[in-house]
Amino acid sequence: DAKTTQPNSMESNEEEPVHLPCNHSTISGTDYIHWYRQLPSQGPEYVIHGLTSNVNNRMASLAIAEDRKSSTLILHRATLRDAAVYYCILRDLTQGGSEKLVFGKGTKLTVNP
Amino acid sequence: GAGVSQSPRYKVAKRGQDVALRCDPISGHVSLFWYQQALGQGPEFLTYFQNEAQLDKSGLPSDRFFAERPEGSVSTLKIQRTQQEDSAVYLCASSLLGGSAYEQYFGPGTRLTVT
Repeated sequence: DAKTTQPNSMESNEEEPVHLPCNHSTISGTDYIHWYRQLPSQGPEYVIHGLTSNVNNRMASLAIAEDRKSSTLILHRATLRDAAVYYCILRDLTQGGSEKLVFGKGTKLTVNP
Repeated sequence: GAGVSQSPRYKVAKRGQDVALRCDPISGHVSLFWYQQALGQGPEFLTYFQNEAQLDKSGLPSDRFFAERPEGSVSTLKIQRTQQEDSAVYLCASSLLGGSAYEQYFGPGTRLTVT
């Protein structure tokens, strides 16, 4: 599985936008970029995923670099409930691609009131 | 609707004891996963089922770990002769169908402490 690199931690203020970066310089053409987050004492939850184009959903936006070697998860207005560890994960969605999620250490986001 | 549930939420075992951890996936979900999460680390894959078939058990750390899903719904992760290094949170996840296109829904985990 291709590797991703994320900062260990980031800090934000409530109601401000947050940009969480992820580097994946060895990404292959069939790798989708997925983001999950894990709130304290809970299991991870899916946030968003994309291939080449930027994506938006009710939780966040995903901006993908043109060369696909990096991406950024954008929380438009951070709330205290967004404090979590955010994981950037590559998933090969071709037939026979591995089903499992390969987590790194993620980025621990702290949101200040 | 009901999400993935796991029981017990907390388990304390003495070294050498056997433990069984239960996972109830979302109804109708074909795929089921087990992950192990050590303190301060991201979850690590243990094993994967599609219905009752165990298709990947490459992440099981030793032959003391055994998982089953006999009727294609509820799954049990069993750890025999527990060791201190088995202390971790054990997470179960399910997804609607097989294939990496489907998001995984996680349960709250079972925190196992081996003393």
